[in-house]
Formats: sequence, C-alpha cells, structure tokens
Amino acid sequence: QVQLVQPGTEVRKPGASVKVSCKTSGYTFISNDINWVRQAPGQGLEWMGWTSPSSGFTGYAQKFQGRVTMAKNTSISTFYMELSSLRSEDTAVYYCARRFRYGFDSWGQGTLLIVSS
Amino acid sequence: QSALTQPASMSGSPGQSITISCTGTNSDVGSYNLVSWYQQNPGKAPKLIIYEVNERPSGVSNRFSGSKSGNTASLTISGLQAEDETDYYCCSYAGDKTYVFGTGTKVTVL
Repeated sequence: QVQLVQPGTEVRKPGASVKVSCKTSGYTFISNDINWVRQAPGQGLEWMGWTSPSSGFTGYAQKFQGRVTMAKNTSISTFYMELSSLRSEDTAVYYCARRFRYGFDSWGQGTLLIVSS
Repeated sequence: QSALTQPASMSGSPGQSITISCTGTNSDVGSYNLVSWYQQNPGKAPKLIIYEVNERPSGVSNRFSGSKSGNTASLTISGLQAEDETDYYCCSYAGDKTYVFGTGTKVTVL
C-alpha cells in the first residue's frame, strides 16, 4: 500500500534551518507530485508547495518564496522540504501529501517542527 | 493568496444532512472545477473525501457529496453519524500549480 513516512519531531532555534524528509513506497515514484502542507497548533491547513518526481520542477506558495526549497532523491524515493530563517511562527506540523489528479490522496503522518530558543 | 472561507462550526442531529460551504474568488474556486475536501480527526493527517468537486475516492462513504456554484463549493454530509464529528477543509486549485485551503469547519453531531 502507499506509504509516506516522515520523521516525528524536529527542534530548531530561531534563525536556523530544517530539512524534513518524506520517504515514499508502495507506488511508482515518478507517477505523482508530492506537495507540502503545514498546520500550526490549533490552526488550519496551509499549502506550501510541490515537487515533480519526474522533472524535479518545484513550485512554492508566494508566502514561502525565498525561504523554502523542495527537492527529491529518486534513488531512495524520498522528497525533502527545507525551510530557512526559522521563527516561532513556523512551529507547526508539516505534512507531505501525494497528489492524485486534483486531490491529495495519501499523506505522511506529519513532522512536528518546534522553533524555540 | 487568501484562504477560502468556511463556517467555523456547524452542527446537526444524527440522520440529518448538513452542507458546508467554501467560498473563494474568481481566481480559484470560480475558475476551476478542482475543489477537494478533507476530513481531519484530532492528531491525524487529513483524509481525502472528495476531489474535483464531486468525485469520491474508492472507499469513501456515499454519504459525502460535493457540488459547486460560482465561487462557492459545498460539501454535503447525509445521514449524519457520530463518527462524522470532526474537522473538514476544502481546497481549490488556484492556477500556476498552486493550491489554497479553506479555513476549516468543525462539525458537531448533537
């Protein structure tokens, strides 16, 4: 079955960077884009961007332009989302999600990022 | 890109139907028949229940249905059950391979 596996928790200080991984399995890696969505504590879902597994092309929400980099490693079926210049407002659960047509049909379990001094 | 607008909360009795609205703009909901809906239980990842306005993924109950008119999409839950009590989010394609989520709706089963 389709699986997207993410690390559980990351802790960083303000100003630092974090790179979150999303290891995929159970389907053909190049078939589906991977998107990243975050959710601050008690808040709603926020779309961050996407990566194409076949071309490596990426696209980011305007809010994160210049601060986020998304990438893939085909050899290990893994996607990455790196967020820099972290601030306390970036504390959130970060999800990777597979796009199926125009819906996100499989999700990772989420990575809790805590930004605190 | 501003979040799509959903009612913060809705409620209904078991067996009733409720309809959750999701209002966007001419740049997102109004321009594309590409709205999806997600159910999210506390502490869990969202689950896709509707895609492309009214398509249901395999395994999703037919009590969930979607529609759209102009800049507003809707999710209807028929035959409300206790297990439907949780959070729901809409999402729309917004052009240039970008997406925008709704503000979320908490459904309570009375």
